[in-house]
Amino acid sequence: AQKITQTQPGMFVQEKEAVTLDCTYDTSDPSYGLFWYKQPSSGEMIFLIYQGSYDQQNATEGRYSLNFQKARKSANLVISASQLGDSAMYFCAMDGNNRLAFGKGNQVVVIP
Amino acid sequence: SQTIHQWPATLVQPVGSPLSLECTVEGTSNPNLYWYRQAAGRGLQLLFYSVGIGQISSEVPQNLSASRPQDRQFILSSKKLLLSDSGFYLCAWRSTGLNQPQHFGDGTRLSIL
Repeated sequence: AQKITQTQPGMFVQEKEAVTLDCTYDTSDPSYGLFWYKQPSSGEMIFLIYQGSYDQQNATEGRYSLNFQKARKSANLVISASQLGDSAMYFCAMDGNNRLAFGKGNQVVVIP
Repeated sequence: SQTIHQWPATLVQPVGSPLSLECTVEGTSNPNLYWYRQAAGRGLQLLFYSVGIGQISSEVPQNLSASRPQDRQFILSSKKLLLSDSGFYLCAWRSTGLNQPQHFGDGTRLSIL
């Protein structure tokens, strides 16, 4: 079974700075996908970025990038040039058996 | 483009009353469909998922049930709500195939009194 671990406490980050959100995972599947979602206070879950286990390069999507270290089983999200609108909960998730396993989330607050 | 609709956005129900939350998807066919519950300040708990009409997999035993009467319609129901059913309910869809992201509806905030 897949397991996702997000253990960082809530984070405050200065506007325009970068922030890294940690995510480690555990799986016995040779092929898997890793996802990051953003959940602002309004509640909707917004898909941000995807990394496949066999992808040779780290995924990037605008200001979001994924620091994927397969041997260490980590898939950290990097948000560059933080904006006030980045304040939200961020969830890491892993694909397996037609479903996603979610971590408990990281709270990020961007301060001006 | 694909869209997902979930309603109602907010619901207040008395203990023991029935429940019906509806979710529909447009712009795709034969999606996988999911119902999640999120307690305040917590992660997502998968309740049900469906890979086709009439096919429902239950992840957590409880007094909730799900049905998929049409390809792009997913319904979450209860005959008698409990206080512990309060929470934020999210519907999601994804395309079939390996490593496709799930896309979520806007959610329903359910309060049981």
